[in-house]
Formats: sequence, structure tokens, C-alpha cells
Amino acid sequence: EAEVAQSPRYKITEKSQAVAFWCDPISGHATLYWYRQILGQGPELLVQFQDESVVDDSQLPKDRFSAERLKGVDSTLKIQPAELGDSAMYLCASSSDRTGRSTEAFFGQGTRLTVV
Amino acid sequence: AQSVTQPDIHITVSEGASLELRCNYSYGATPYLFWYVQSPGQGLQLLLKYFSGDTLVQGIKGFEAEFKRSQSSFNLRKPSVHWSDAAEYFCARINFGNEKLTFGTGTRLTIIP
Repeated sequence: EAEVAQSPRYKITEKSQAVAFWCDPISGHATLYWYRQILGQGPELLVQFQDESVVDDSQLPKDRFSAERLKGVDSTLKIQPAELGDSAMYLCASSSDRTGRSTEAFFGQGTRLTVV
Repeated sequence: AQSVTQPDIHITVSEGASLELRCNYSYGATPYLFWYVQSPGQGLQLLLKYFSGDTLVQGIKGFEAEFKRSQSSFNLRKPSVHWSDAAEYFCARINFGNEKLTFGTGTRLTIIP
């Protein structure tokens, strides 16, 4: 069964260091999302791609976060420098919907980031 | 603001008992509504969704949800829970205008023998 792949599963980093997460969506899915989930809360959208283009990054802290999807397939989310408050689960999801409406998004297993 | 509210942070149910998890949505127009489940340390899995039509929606793993416009609710139900249902459950909606998926804060379900 096709699934969204994320790596690494777990990452511990020191504050002020750089960290990167990788996501490979389900083959053929045009829309890719990055969500951040703080412990005890629901996921919050950070950035949405339609193919290689960013369609929504209004909640992405652009002073330290960046995201790219160069060939419209896999994607990388980077944090530089990491801060203690960035400790969270980072979830990637993909959807075949091209309208921008996330009607059925499939989620990866996430990357658990701990900043120390 | 367009949102969903899950009033119960934590629910404990005996195995074999029935379950109902509450979800309320704000803003009058009928939104697209979803229920997702998340096992510890895992991603989210879609249980069911409501867009329009029949207000009783059947999902995977024996779950169902009923859309009630008069109560602005979309509660998740299961007639008999299994120990494997222990997880975090999230209600979510599509926001009109930006078409983005917005999640509630989740309800943690504990199953006791």
C-alpha cells in the first residue's frame, strides 16, 4: 500500500543547530503539506505545496524555517537555528487533490524533534 | 474564526463498552468534516469524512459519525470498543475561503479491561 515516507523518525539536536526533515509523498500526489504538532495539541499547517510551488506558507516562521520541493516530488523542511520551542512532531501529508482543498490528506509517521 | 472544538481532553472507556467522542464546529455554513486517529508516535489516519448527503457516515474500524446541523456537531461513535482503539482522536474541518484543514485539540482515549 502506498504511503508517505518521512525521515528521520526521531531527531535530537542542540539549540542553535540546523536540522532538516525529508518527506516523500505518495506517488502522483500533487499536493504536499508540512504540519507541526506540539505535544497535546492538534497539527498546525506550516506550508502547502502544489507541485513545486508554495501555495500557503502563512504560518511558517520564515526567519528560521524553510521548505522546498524542487522537482515537485519529495520535500525538505529545514530549521536554522533550532530553538527549544521547536520541539514537536513534524508531519508530512500528501493529497491528489489539485484544488488546494485538502479533502483527503494521507499522513506520514512523522519526525519527532527534540531540541536540547 | 472557523474552528472545531473537542471538549473532552481525555476519555476512559471499558473494553466492549460504547464510545462517543464529541466535536463541535463554529461558523454557520456546512463545512467539510473529518475524524482522524493517531496512535502514539505515529501519523494520522483518516477514519471518516463528511461532505454532504447522508448525515450518518460510516468509517473504517467500525466507527461512524453523525452530522447534526442544529447542534453544530459531528460526534464520533463506536458501539463496542477494543483495546486497540486506544489512541488520540482528532476532529478536523476544511475552512471556507482558504480551503485548509484545521484540527481540534484532540481527545485521548484510554481503554480499560
